[in-house]
Amino acid sequence: SQKIEQNSEALNIQEGKTATLTCNYTNYSPAYLQWYRQDPGRGPVFLLLIRENEKEKRKERLKVTFDTTLKQSLFHITASQPADSATYLCARGNTGFQKLVFGTGTRLLVSP
Amino acid sequence: KAGVTQTPRYLIKTRGQQVTLSCSPISGHRSVSWYQQTPGQGLQFLFEYFSETQRNKGNFPGRFSGRQFSNSRSEMNVSTLELGDSALYLCASSPSSSEKLFFGSGTQLSVL
Repeated sequence: SQKIEQNSEALNIQEGKTATLTCNYTNYSPAYLQWYRQDPGRGPVFLLLIRENEKEKRKERLKVTFDTTLKQSLFHITASQPADSATYLCARGNTGFQKLVFGTGTRLLVSP
Repeated sequence: KAGVTQTPRYLIKTRGQQVTLSCSPISGHRSVSWYQQTPGQGLQFLFEYFSETQRNKGNFPGRFSGRQFSNSRSEMNVSTLELGDSALYLCASSPSSSEKLFFGSGTQLSVL
């Protein structure tokens, strides 16, 4: 079955540092991977989408990579701020469908 | 534009009862999908609707059903509630040409 694995342990970093979150997938490469941010009591908010044929995508302080050899995506937040503290979800999907397979998320804590 | 609206926000039911959850997508979005989120399993896909037709269904028992109306609003129903149905139920909408999902804040269902 298609799975997404994310580190379930919280990631604690200091303000100003770069946070790197890992997402590993099993079986065949998905058409794309998506990253979402979720705050307590709220629904996930879309951040970035990267397609299978793309190596890297950037948006402001965010960067995501897609490595089909390692079956892995890395999500980076540079110059992290306490406001970046949240749970980050990785999801795999295929073109034409809204069915996403989500990982359980990694909680990021940025201390001042 | 208003975001995805889900009602009610909180719901408490007892085992054996049934429940109906409502979702109003972002104006112009024709695709609506539903996810169940629990601490242990993360987000799991329930079903997706597009133009009143169910396009995809997750691995949930037949007690879980849904529908979409001509104005794209959607409802999901859970009959014969079990304790394990306690979860955050999230609705997401998307434009026809996009893979990214816009989530509502969810309905927190507690089954006693």
